[in-house]
Order: sequence, then structure tokens, then C-alpha cells
Amino acid sequence: QLQLQESGPGLVKPSETLSLTCSVSGGSISSSSFHWGWIRQTPGKGLEWIGSISYSGTTYYTPSLKSRVTVSVDTSKTQFSLRLSAVTAADTAVYFCARQIFGDNAVDYGMDVWGQGTTVTVSS
Amino acid sequence: QSVLTQPPSVSGAPGQRITISCTGSSSNIGAGYDVHWYQQLPGAAPKLVIYGNSNRPSGVPDRFSGSKSGTSASLAITGLQAEDEADYYCQSYDSSLSGLWVFGGGTKVTVL
Repeated sequence: QLQLQESGPGLVKPSETLSLTCSVSGGSISSSSFHWGWIRQTPGKGLEWIGSISYSGTTYYTPSLKSRVTVSVDTSKTQFSLRLSAVTAADTAVYFCARQIFGDNAVDYGMDVWGQGTTVTVSS
Repeated sequence: QSVLTQPPSVSGAPGQRITISCTGSSSNIGAGYDVHWYQQLPGAAPKLVIYGNSNRPSGVPDRFSGSKSGTSASLAITGLQAEDEADYYCQSYDSSLSGLWVFGGGTKVTVL
């Protein structure tokens, strides 16, 4: 059964770069049926999609964060990563990685597997 | 302000039926993009409970059902149980500059 696990620093200083990795186990990361994405949840607030990457390396980012976000994939290590630069206190959140599944003709079937989430606090 | 609008809270007694609405626009739900629903228990990651407007993943009880019409979608829970108390989020694709894959603001379901 596919499992995702986020890892990375729990504390990042303002203006620095947040870096997180999502390790994929129990399944393949190299499939045209999947995108690999990052979602965050600020304290007491809802979910915000940050960005995703396809098996071929095509990236998609939410416009409000696009200038600061990079999502990359390392198929040899079966993991994908998030980098968010110039962070502020507003970036303090629980960060989730998730698999987006697509069917034939790129039909979107939602985010079917999620990591447990990792809390990142931006503070000096 | 979320692109998809959900009521902040819905409540019901055990055994009752509740519905959660998700209102979008012509750039997302109204454009024909599918809606997915997630359940988030306290302290846990979201879990997909409905995909493609009305389909249940394996293991999700048939008490959960989804529908879509026009620029809105709904999640219904029949025979409400205490374990259903959670936050629920709708999600779809948006073709405007709002963010591609977008979520609703979430609805807190309380079992009375």
C-alpha cells in the first residue's frame, strides 16, 4: 500500500527557504497516472494547494506563491520536494504531500493518498 | 476568501441526514470540472471520501454520497454517526488565476 512521509525542518527563520521532502514507499512514483503535490493548512484555517509535479517533470503552481515555489521529483530516490523561498510568518502551517490520481483522458480523480503532515513554524 | 464556498458548520443528530453544499463559479464547477470531497478528523490528514462528484473510494461507507449540478455540488451523509464528526472540504479545478486545484473553506460537522 502506497505511503507518503514528509520530512524537513520544523522551524525556519523569516526570509529563509523552507525545504521539505516527501518520501514515497509501497508504490511507483513514475507513472503517467499520478501527479505529486503539496498542500498546506494554516492554524485553524482550511486547505491550500501549493503546487504539483507530474511524472514527466511538468510543474503546476498556485499563482499566489508561484514566484517563491519550486516542486521537484527525484525518481531514483522515490521522493519529491518542496522549496518555498523568502518565508514569512504567514507561511507557518502544516504541510501535506499527496498523490493526485488521473484516469484515462486526464480525468481528475482527486488526491487519494496523503502524508501525515509536518508542522513548519516561521520564526526568528 | 475561498474560491469554493462552503457553510462553516452543519450539525445533526445521530441517524439523521445532513448535506454540505459547495458553491463555485463558471471557472470551476460550472465549467464542468469534477468535485472531490475530503474528510479531516482532528489532528489527521484529509481523507478522500468522494471523487468525481459522486464516486466512493473503496472502504468509504455508502452513507456518504455526492452530487453536482450547475455551479454547485453537495455531500450528503445519511445515518449520521458520531465518528462522522469532522471537517469536510470540497475540491475542484479552476481555470482562472485563482489556483488551478482549489479547495473550499471547509465545513465542521457536529454530531449532536
